[in-house]
Amino acid sequence: QKEVEQNSGPLSVPEGAIASLNCTYSDRVSQSFFWYRQYSGKSPELIMSIYSNGDKEDGRFTAQLNKASQYVSLLIRDSQPSDSATYLCALITGGGNKLTFGTGTQLKVEL
Amino acid sequence: DVKVTQSSRYLVKRTGEKVFLECVQDMDHENMFWYRQDPGLGLRLIYFSYDVKMKEKGDIPEGYSVSREKKERFSLILESASTNQTSMYLCASSPNRDTQYFGPGTRLTVL
Repeated sequence: QKEVEQNSGPLSVPEGAIASLNCTYSDRVSQSFFWYRQYSGKSPELIMSIYSNGDKEDGRFTAQLNKASQYVSLLIRDSQPSDSATYLCALITGGGNKLTFGTGTQLKVEL
Repeated sequence: DVKVTQSSRYLVKRTGEKVFLECVQDMDHENMFWYRQDPGLGLRLIYFSYDVKMKEKGDIPEGYSVSREKKERFSLILESASTNQTSMYLCASSPNRDTQYFGPGTRLTVL
């Protein structure tokens, strides 16, 4: 089982809709979770971090964490074409020594 | 703004050559990382460093070595390049072990 699993997509949503991106993980002791956005040909950039169970909102982005079920998700409200990118889920594993990334979900927001 | 620079955007080398990839950050971060990114495999950690002259192996260190003689510079070395090392190489720096700032990447082709 992979440490961090994401559906590779592409996930297509119409402009203005809510995009829901999901990630599951295997390491029960993971405490820190992150969402990075990567545009085609560019490097990843951090958009959200979450450490506690529940929801964390930042503008149009909401991260959700459920440690009991070992999943973390990212909701993007009012999706825009500029949100089209690959979204990477990442978490601290190995006793806090390193960040492990999922393979990413490609999101396409269509006009 | 955090700035992480990498010595080359594109590099073409021949099998057996020794290859140096340089990464420099200007924010006095203690932590620096080297990843490679391949389609379908995502970002994989090669080596990381939490201090000058300190290094730790990541998930795929075989065929690579690193050097950190100064805090701002972290070098990745391919002792004898092979075709399976053709990849996108991404350097990152971090003020802690969570938030990572990535450089623009070096696309290395080994012929």
